[in-house]
Amino acid sequence: GENVEQHPSTLSVQEGDSAVIKCTYSDSASNYFPWYKQELGKRPQLIIDIRSNVGEKKDQRIAVTLNKTAKHFSLHITETQPEDSAVYFCAASIDTNAGKSTFGDGTTLTVKP
Amino acid sequence: GAVVSQHPSRVICKSGTSVKIECRSLDFQATTMFWYRQFPKQSLMLMATSNEGSKATYEQGVEKDKFLINHASLTLSTLTVTSAHPEDSSFYICSARDPSGGAYTDTQYFGPGTRLTVL
Repeated sequence: GENVEQHPSTLSVQEGDSAVIKCTYSDSASNYFPWYKQELGKRPQLIIDIRSNVGEKKDQRIAVTLNKTAKHFSLHITETQPEDSAVYFCAASIDTNAGKSTFGDGTTLTVKP
Repeated sequence: GAVVSQHPSRVICKSGTSVKIECRSLDFQATTMFWYRQFPKQSLMLMATSNEGSKATYEQGVEKDKFLINHASLTLSTLTVTSAHPEDSSFYICSARDPSGGAYTDTQYFGPGTRLTVL
């Protein structure tokens, strides 16, 4: 089955700096890669996603890049703010029809004011 | 965006009792819902895929007789933790796929979660 590895597990940056979180996946059939943000005690919220027919997607301060050949994708957050502090999860879908996703272990991002 | 609710948000029960958790899609019909378990500071562990009108598909290592899933309608899936024990204490989260996106039907929307504590 699919295996998703996420790095780093914790990341601390100064407000205004950029943050990058990287994930690798094992199943070349995966074609959908969402990123979720989960604040303490709350539900995961989709923040951005990318499909395998696209190499990069951007939404304001957030961008995701995908390298299908290397089977890795990354989340980039620019101009970080304290409210960006949360746990971020990447995921990969192995079966589009079922929609089942395999999640990475998460990255705890702390943005210091 | 699509909204998924979950009830109850918190439940405390005695060891040996059963607990039912409901997951509802409020503004869309979900043919597929997923149940996850999340331990503190850990990732989401998929427990099972709930399919409307058919049996749930359980992940390896998840006891189907322990965690009963029923998806009786397009807007409701339930997870029943039977004969709960302290080791079942965890955060249980459901998610649902919104099929209205046509080809792009992979997006999952999560419920707010249920904190189960078994004494």
